[in-house]
Amino acid sequence: DAGVTQSPTHLIKTRGQQVTLRCSPISGHKSVSWYQQVLGQGPQFIFQYYEKEERGRGNFPDRFSARQFPNYSSELNVNALLLGDSALYLCASSLTQGGYEKLFFGSGTQLSVL
Amino acid sequence: DQQVKQNSPSLSVQEGRISILNCDYTNSMFDYFLWYKKYPAEGPTFLISISSIKDKNEDGRFTVFLNKSAKHLSLHIVPSQPGDSAVYFCAARDSGGSNYKLTFGKGTLLTVNP
Repeated sequence: DAGVTQSPTHLIKTRGQQVTLRCSPISGHKSVSWYQQVLGQGPQFIFQYYEKEERGRGNFPDRFSARQFPNYSSELNVNALLLGDSALYLCASSLTQGGYEKLFFGSGTQLSVL
Repeated sequence: DQQVKQNSPSLSVQEGRISILNCDYTNSMFDYFLWYKKYPAEGPTFLISISSIKDKNEDGRFTVFLNKSAKHLSLHIVPSQPGDSAVYFCAARDSGGSNYKLTFGKGTLLTVNP
């Protein structure tokens, strides 16, 4: 079975540009979460979507937005990129919204902002 | 402020010996704890978890211990193998949250020497 897939794997952008990252969850998983991992830090929660609705948002500016599609795939959009947005962006999926479930992570998109 | 702390950035052990990775937390609302392992260029992979109603959970070579009064948990790997070399993240879930947000520590790089 395919795991969580993310695209692209690497991306280089310049300050002020906009970027869209994509994620396909494990088949049957209805919840998708996005995390940002800056070098030397642990992953930090950005968003959770369940059944196409935003169910949680971390401490990130409004430049960050996301959505979930009917097939449960998801996009993370970042506008007006800053140098500090350079990070590994991880998508994770789970069957349901919560409970004692583990998250399954994709390999991430490495974003570099120059 | 860091709610989940992994105070050892790195740990080096000999193959066959025990590896002990430590994690401290400050938020008393955390009710579920997980350990993830991460290899370079891959996403975090779930290793083992423990609910706050337990003090120990074991899975093969991996055992997690939880001391709620001390707000401390540890991961024991016995015996350690070179393939265990990776970054280990401690993560916690907030029972008061409405979503499946995980708060991660900064990680500990484990190196198992042959």
